[in-house]
Amino acid sequence: EVQLVESGGGLVQPGGSLRLSCVGSGFSFSTYEMNWVRQAPGKGLEYLAYIGHDGRTEYYADSIKGRFTVSRDNAKNSLFLQMDSLRADDTAIYYCARDMWGGATPQEYWGQGTLVTVSS
Amino acid sequence: DIQMTQSPSSLSASVGDRVTITCRASQGISHYLAWYQQKPGKVPKLLIYDVSTLQSGVPSRFSGSGSGTDFTLTISSLQPEDFATYYCQRYNSAPRTFGQGTRVEIK
Repeated sequence: EVQLVESGGGLVQPGGSLRLSCVGSGFSFSTYEMNWVRQAPGKGLEYLAYIGHDGRTEYYADSIKGRFTVSRDNAKNSLFLQMDSLRADDTAIYYCARDMWGGATPQEYWGQGTLVTVSS
Repeated sequence: DIQMTQSPSSLSASVGDRVTITCRASQGISHYLAWYQQKPGKVPKLLIYDVSTLQSGVPSRFSGSGSGTDFTLTISSLQPEDFATYYCQRYNSAPRTFGQGTRVEIK
């Protein structure tokens, strides 16, 4: 069974940093592209970041470019999102999500999400 | 980046109704279009990919159509468990933009 488990969320002050993690199991983690998506309270889904299966390719939404960094450690079946210069509008549930297969595909599996609250 | 615009943003319908949701891309995205369903407090669920291919386990009352820039999700006979928010997403290139969502409510 494919599982994705996020962690690392919490309360952080504006301007602060947080590092989210996502551990995958039940599949060959190193062969799948991975993504981060967030959802602010009462709002829609916002696609944030993509990382290729080998970690060599990254893409970011304009809203987080220059502040957030996606990375992965295939040896530990782990995906990360380093979030710096956090703002109040970064408050959201953050999901990691796995592509269906290689290439251009949608996100078939999602974690349960981790809540990030940016507030003083 | 290519923008995705859904309409309507919300709709009210009754059980048994035929429901249609539209998604428009600001540029052509070929067949790289997916639909997700999200119920309150739950994780998004992939319904349809490649415009019209039903994900495993998704009821056949759901269907997708379209090409290029204009796409449609149709629920042929709305069931009680279908009341949710639906999102389209393009995945022809990253970042893979979502539409703003369409909330389907009970009339």
